[in-house]
This record gives sequence, C-alpha cells and structure tokens, in this order.
Amino acid sequence: DGGITQSPKYLFRKEGQNVTLSCEQNLNHDAMYWYRQDPGQGLRLIYYSQIVNDFQKGDIAEGYSVSREKKESFPLTVTSAQKNPTAFYLCASSTGDRGPYEQYFGPGTRLTVT
Amino acid sequence: QKEVEQDPGPLSVPEGAIVSLNCTYSNSAFQYFMWYRQYSRKGPELLMYTYSSGNKEDGRFTAQVDKSSKYISLFIRDSQPSDSATYLCAMKRWRGTSYGKLTFGQGTILTVHP
Repeated sequence: DGGITQSPKYLFRKEGQNVTLSCEQNLNHDAMYWYRQDPGQGLRLIYYSQIVNDFQKGDIAEGYSVSREKKESFPLTVTSAQKNPTAFYLCASSTGDRGPYEQYFGPGTRLTVT
Repeated sequence: QKEVEQDPGPLSVPEGAIVSLNCTYSNSAFQYFMWYRQYSRKGPELLMYTYSSGNKEDGRFTAQVDKSSKYISLFIRDSQPSDSATYLCAMKRWRGTSYGKLTFGQGTILTVHP
C-alpha cells in the first residue's frame, strides 16, 4: 500500500531533551512537509522540502531542524530550544510543490513534553 | 489579521441536516482551494479541491468558491454521524514568495448526532 507513515504515534519526553520524529513515504513524491497542529489553530508549516538535500523554513521553524538525505524520508528534530513543543505533528507529501498538487498527510505523532 | 479565517464552531446538527462550513481569506493570490476532513487523532484527508469560482459537487459534498468576495464554502447534504470530524479549509498561492505553500484555516469541529 502506498502512503505516509509516521512513528511513533505517541511520544513522551522530558523538557531539555531533543527528540526526532520519523516520516517515511512510498508515494515517490518529491515534496515533503512538516506541520504542527495545536487546538483551535489549524495547521502551521514548520519546514518543507521540494527535493532531496534541500529544505526551507516554514512559518514556525524556530526550535526545529530537518534533513532530507533520501527522497522517502524527512525526519523532524524537536530541539530543547523549542519553547512549547507539546503538539500534534503531521507530515505530508506531494508530487511537487508548485501547481495544483494535492498534499497527502500521515497519521501524525502526538508529542508530549513534561 | 489571519490570512484565512474559519469559524471554529463547534457545530452540532441532527442527522440528515444540511451543513454549511465557511472560510474567508484576504489574499487574492490564493488560487487553489481545498477542504480537508480530520477525524480525531488522525491526519487530515483531502475531501474537495477546486481552483475556479463556482460549485464543485462530489456525492453529498459541494464546494463553492466566490473569488470576488474571497469566500469559500463546503456544504454537506444529508449529514451522517460518520461526518463528525474537524473540517479544515486550505488555500494555495500560484505566485509570489510563498508560492506552493498551503495556508490553513483554524478548522471547524462538526458533530452530527443521531
């Protein structure tokens, strides 16, 4: 089955620790995205990548880092510099970034930092 | 002021009702308009996608775009309890510095009770 997988589904960390969220897709999509979702705020773009070895900051990149070494994978690291990391994190991919390309979403990872 | 405004609800309707969900936007560079449905603790799934003014119908769902008023709507006919979810509008520019990125509304929580 083609799709996007995110792991783990739930993640708990202590404050001050870095944590990496996994995102893998087998849709052969060039573009990948990371969003953060908080109650009542919709989805906000953290980082996006149009192609392997290239990525750009989104609207709320501070305290996050990404890499895109393989087409299929776009991991997100939530660093200790992120002031309010507890949220629902969603990964998405699309055929391309420009033009009327649909974005397909993974099931999400709920991160809780205490 | 947010670029995309969506009434977060919550909205509660009886089974069989017609549901109207709406978003307004301020940037005329938005040319692609989408509605996503998100069940609790899941990733969003694309419901409707349009890039012209007018109506687009798919089964019980109708998406309406009025670019002159910068207003989009999603209508659900004969609503079912299985339609209970959060509905997110999303928009995409076709030009400018943020070309290709999706901008989401806050999401409307809908409950259809039997």
